[in-house]
Amino acid sequence: IQLTQSPSSLSASVGDRVTITCRASQGISSYLAWYQQKPGKAPKLLIYAASTLQSGVPSRFSGSGSGTDFTLTISSLQPEDFATYYCQQVNSYPLTFGGGTKVEIK
Amino acid sequence: QVQLVESGGGVIQPGGSLRLSCAASGFTFRSYPMDWVRQAPGKGLEWVAVVSYDGSNVYYADSVKGRFTISRDNSKNTLYLQMNSLRTEDTAIYYCARDRDNSWSNWFDPWGQGTLVTVSS
Repeated sequence: IQLTQSPSSLSASVGDRVTITCRASQGISSYLAWYQQKPGKAPKLLIYAASTLQSGVPSRFSGSGSGTDFTLTISSLQPEDFATYYCQQVNSYPLTFGGGTKVEIK
Repeated sequence: QVQLVESGGGVIQPGGSLRLSCAASGFTFRSYPMDWVRQAPGKGLEWVAVVSYDGSNVYYADSVKGRFTISRDNSKNTLYLQMNSLRTEDTAIYYCARDRDNSWSNWFDPWGQGTLVTVSS
């Protein structure tokens, strides 16, 4: 199953609302997660089952979607949110990740 | 606290072999499926393999099937990745990751810090 993220990069300012999309090549129900990765660090789980916030993750992060189209929204971008974001499908093996979306400071 | 520490990375020639280890602590290792995920320099994430809590079930990415073997020793709280017939395209940081819960969810949390494997002549 291929996952296509868009955009591949974006520039935004602190306080902006940011939306990243992930499209699956076939239906995956809600078997989708979102990860955040900062330079030189391991990825961190933000959201799983498409819309469930992982414990400890700020509520400004939210996820939605099912089937083939999914979104990750950051309601008010904070300085610590500048990072690369990946979606992941767990509907079937092999597990796959999207190509990533790099969120940069405008 | 839950901790995963990878080791065993290094520089290896094409065609060579290497075994990675991931030492786990802070949780009941034998209860959780475990995975390896890799990331080539400057590239995205690629899932490599998963092993069930007891080692009886394993799955692999097509790119490593037949060359890599995932295994675990629950008595030592350690996950392994045996990598044979290495290719230049296997150059990457290799992360071990635990399933978020012990129900074979495939949501990865936490991750280790990674170990770098460089395949080069």
